[in-house]
Amino acid sequence: GAVVSQHPSWVICKSGTSVKIECRSLDFQATTMFWYRQFPKQSLMLMATSNEGSKATYEQGVEKDKFLINHASLTLSTLTVTSAHPEDSSFYICSAPAFGGLVAKNIQYFGAGTRLSVL
Amino acid sequence: GENVEQHPSTLSVQEGDSAVIKCTYSDSASNYFPWYKQELGKGPQLIIDIRSNVGEKKDQRIAVTLNKTAKHFSLHITETQPEDSAVYFCAVLTGGTSYGKLTFGQGTILTVHP
Repeated sequence: GAVVSQHPSWVICKSGTSVKIECRSLDFQATTMFWYRQFPKQSLMLMATSNEGSKATYEQGVEKDKFLINHASLTLSTLTVTSAHPEDSSFYICSAPAFGGLVAKNIQYFGAGTRLSVL
Repeated sequence: GENVEQHPSTLSVQEGDSAVIKCTYSDSASNYFPWYKQELGKGPQLIIDIRSNVGEKKDQRIAVTLNKTAKHFSLHITETQPEDSAVYFCAVLTGGTSYGKLTFGQGTILTVHP
């Protein structure tokens, strides 16, 4: 199956700093990627849809100035948590639906996730 | 928007028994229903999926059934093994496009006792 690589897997930062998380599709192109947030023992909540070459679409209640998304190429989307605070501590996961090639459309492949801890 | 309900929230079985997890959804236009397995500290992994033109799909010990009329679909795991222990999420594709959003169920913590 297709592979989505997410980096870093774990990051600890001080309150007030910014953290960048990368999501790469390794063997397919992804014009769209999705960013999720997951709190302990809870389900995945969609934060935003990342669109290559255009602005991201944010879900209701998600601060776009807080969670900056950049999708500069067909294989890379980044999520930057700006001025992070302890309440931003969570598990962030990206996904990408495969397009063309040998993988089926509509199947979303997930990264391994990034655990963010803000002190 | 789409509403997905998943039950049970926890499921404990003995090794070798079967496990069944059920999800209901609200949008009759939804047409793609994947199931994901998530192990602690990892991202979700697709284990099986079904599309609206199929009623049942099987892959070795795992099967998914879909009832579009009743708007529910279920995951069936037979001959469970301890390594099946994980959190399982159902999801429904919404948006009507190839890149529509996935709406997830609340998750089921499956524990398989040796």
